[in-house]
Parts: sequence; C-alpha cells; structure tokens
Amino acid sequence: DGGITQSPKYLFRKEGQNVTLSCEQNLNHDAMYWYRQDPGQGLRLIYYSQIVNDFQKGDIAEGYSVSREKKESFPLTVTSAQKNPTAFYLCASSTRDRGETQYFGPGTRLLVL
Amino acid sequence: GQQVMQIPQYQHVQEGEDFTTYCNSSTTLSNIQWYKQRPGGHPVFLIQLVKSGEVKKQKRLTFQFGEAKKNSSLHITATQTTDVGTYFCAADLVAQKLVFGQGTRLTINP
Repeated sequence: DGGITQSPKYLFRKEGQNVTLSCEQNLNHDAMYWYRQDPGQGLRLIYYSQIVNDFQKGDIAEGYSVSREKKESFPLTVTSAQKNPTAFYLCASSTRDRGETQYFGPGTRLLVL
Repeated sequence: GQQVMQIPQYQHVQEGEDFTTYCNSSTTLSNIQWYKQRPGGHPVFLIQLVKSGEVKKQKRLTFQFGEAKKNSSLHITATQTTDVGTYFCAADLVAQKLVFGQGTRLTINP
C-alpha cells in the first residue's frame, strides 16, 4: 500500500531531552512537510523540503530541526530548545507542483513528562 | 504574513441540520483545497477548486469558489453523525507551501 507512515504514535519526552519523530513515504513524492497542531487549533508549518538535501523553515521552526537525506524520509527532531513541545505532529507529502494535494500521515502525539 | 481566514471556528448542529463554513483571503487564489480531520485523526483531502465561480458536489457536500477567487465555502446538507470533525481550507499563497485556515470544528447532536 502506498502512503505515509509516522512513528511512534505516542512519544513521551523528559525535560531537556531531544526526541526524533519518524516520517516515511512511498508515494514517490518530492515534497515533504511537518506541521504542528495544538488542541483545537489549525496546522502550523514547521519545516518543509522540496527535494533531497534541501529544506526550508516554516512559520514555527525555532526549537526544531530536520534532515532530508533520502527522498522517502523526513525525520523531525524536537530539541530541548523547544519550550512547549506538547502537541500533535503531522507529516505530509506532495508532488512538487504548486498547489498539489498534501497527503498526511497518522501523526505523532508528543507529551512532555 | 498572508493568511486564510476561516469562519466560524466552531459549529454545533442538530443532526439533519445544514452546516456551512467559509474561507476568505485578501489575495486572489490560484486554487483552494478542502480537508477533513476526524477527531483523533489526520487531515484527509476532500476536493480542490481551481476555476472562478466553480461549484463541485460530493453527495451532501457542496463546495464553491468565489467569482473573484478570494473566498470559498463548504456546505453540508442534512448533517449526519459521520460528518463530525474539523474542516480546513488551504490555499497555495506561497509557492509550494499550502497555507491552512484555522479550521471549523463541527459537532453534531444526534
């Protein structure tokens, strides 16, 4: 089946700890995105990548880092610099064409202990 | 920055009533997309509108794109409990980067 997978489904982070969220897609999409969603809120763009080995900051990149070493993978690291990391994190992908549909993964819920 | 404003933020209806959410932009949009997110789930693409004045239907859902391509609406006729969720509009205001509205959360009293 083609699609996007995210793991883990739930993640717990201790204060001062970095954690990495996984996102993999087998849709052969060039573009990948990370969004943050807080309860009852919309989607805020953290980072996006249009091609391997290249990525750009979104609206709320502070405290986060990404890499894009493979077309299929776009992991997100939530660093200790992110002071309020508790949220629902969604990964998405699309073709590189402007305005194309985004396909979302099931998301990872991050909780700070 | 450029934004897409979506109203209302919340809507509670009785099952069988109609529901409408509106999406507005200050700039002309090349296209607009609509997504649905069920409670606890992830956004799922519903439809894309491209042409001025375009109207598309999916069963009880009617999507419209304004003549000036600055606004859009999603109307659900005779809501059912399966319609519960948050509906987002999204527009490519910046190249290859969708800007999502804040979403309208629909709850339904059976």
